[in-house]
Amino acid sequence: QSVLTQPPSVSAAPGQKVTISCSGSSSNIGNNYVSWYQQLPETAPKLLIYDNNKRPSGIPDRFSGSKSGTSATLGITGLQTGDEADYYCGIWDSGLYAYVFGIGTKVTVL
Amino acid sequence: QVQLQQSGPGLVKPSQTLSLTCAISGDSVSSNSAAWNWIRQSPSRGLEWLGRTYYRSKWFNDYAISVKSRITINPDTSGNQFSLQLNSVTPEDTGIYHCAREGSTYFDYWGQGTLVTVSS
Repeated sequence: QSVLTQPPSVSAAPGQKVTISCSGSSSNIGNNYVSWYQQLPETAPKLLIYDNNKRPSGIPDRFSGSKSGTSATLGITGLQTGDEADYYCGIWDSGLYAYVFGIGTKVTVL
Repeated sequence: QVQLQQSGPGLVKPSQTLSLTCAISGDSVSSNSAAWNWIRQSPSRGLEWLGRTYYRSKWFNDYAISVKSRITINPDTSGNQFSLQLNSVTPEDTGIYHCAREGSTYFDYWGQGTLVTVSS
């Protein structure tokens, strides 16, 4: 059971948009920066979004992040088959004094 | 470009010690702006942060409560690497172990991952 709640899966057709929610509390999302990670099959996680809405160099602007209160959202537009992966939100939890991850959301391109 | 290269055994017997090393290139384990982390992944626990070491005029360590009594993360300044030791392992400790650099509030570089199986 994670302190961050994500939906287990989302799906959409190629070219469509998906959003993935990450719900937390005041000890994590409410007061710290959220990051998002993409994990393709058989690979290590890769940083996708940091500081709520910033993209590292090389990450296309099809990927976006936002935060409101104690929830964060990852958006993927123009969905491609190569986007099929597990997506995790992550953040430092001030109450637990530990970094925590969501359980992950599997994105399927129909 | 920062690269992290993990090494260590993939099979550990129950009650023994799991030991992994993460070699750093393109940065320094003694960096005043980075922290060096271990994260493990399993189907039952998902991604689980285990702990970190970092240098801010002196060395600091932070560990997850779930493993605090069994874990040690050490920097090796001469080899520019850091290590993980997890004592008294059980089959519950089976998983993929990742090392990662924490740039600020996020993990921007990851090692390749090491599958560690705890079994006799």
